Amino acid sequence: DIQMTQSPSSLSASVGDRVTITCRASQTISNYLNWYQHKPGKAPKLLIYAASSLQSGVPSRFSGSGSGTDFTLTISSLQPEDFATYYCQQSYSTPYTFGQGTKLEVK
Amino acid sequence: EVQLVESGGGLVQPGGSLRLSCAASEFTFSNYWMSWVRQAPGKGLEWVANIKQDGSEKYYVDSVKGRFSISRDNAKKSVFLQMNSLRAEDTAVFYCARGDGLFDPWGQGTLVTVSS
Repeated sequence: DIQMTQSPSSLSASVGDRVTITCRASQTISNYLNWYQHKPGKAPKLLIYAASSLQSGVPSRFSGSGSGTDFTLTISSLQPEDFATYYCQQSYSTPYTFGQGTKLEVK
Repeated sequence: EVQLVESGGGLVQPGGSLRLSCAASEFTFSNYWMSWVRQAPGKGLEWVANIKQDGSEKYYVDSVKGRFSISRDNAKKSVFLQMNSLRAEDTAVFYCARGDGLFDPWGQGTLVTVSS
């Protein structure tokens, strides 16, 4: 199975900050990497697919990059509604696996 | 608006069974793979199973193989997860999601609690 490792596990930031979350795969996955936002009690939401493609309706302050084994999610200017948990996920092969999550909290 | 609504969760004893349902609306259900993903309390997301458009291919995470079975009814625009021999470690919120590997959208989830 492909292991996905995110860092950091938690992050404190303020509105307006630039935030970067990293995700590393245990083997190469090309660009088969997706990012989701999850708020408590809500359905997870797809933000980025194929490593760098912005899902329709997602604000442009979200961006993704990377290929192979190393990937990043960047939020250019944090908004109040962005405080949530973020997960990377590989869609290269089953079993599809997620990172452990990065909880983004208000500083 | 594309919508997925899960149902069927609840409290079940270890060794028991439960059948989850997910009703889809506002998209051509028969054109898409469908998946189940779960989240145990305080834990991250875990993909559980998926099923091809016509039901001819199904895949499972190792921890549920032989105990869980995914199925679908395209006429009713629904996907199901039959869960047998449930264990305490199966306690989780179960989400239905459209897609194979790329999950969008997701339902709100249904809670399954396995406890005596």
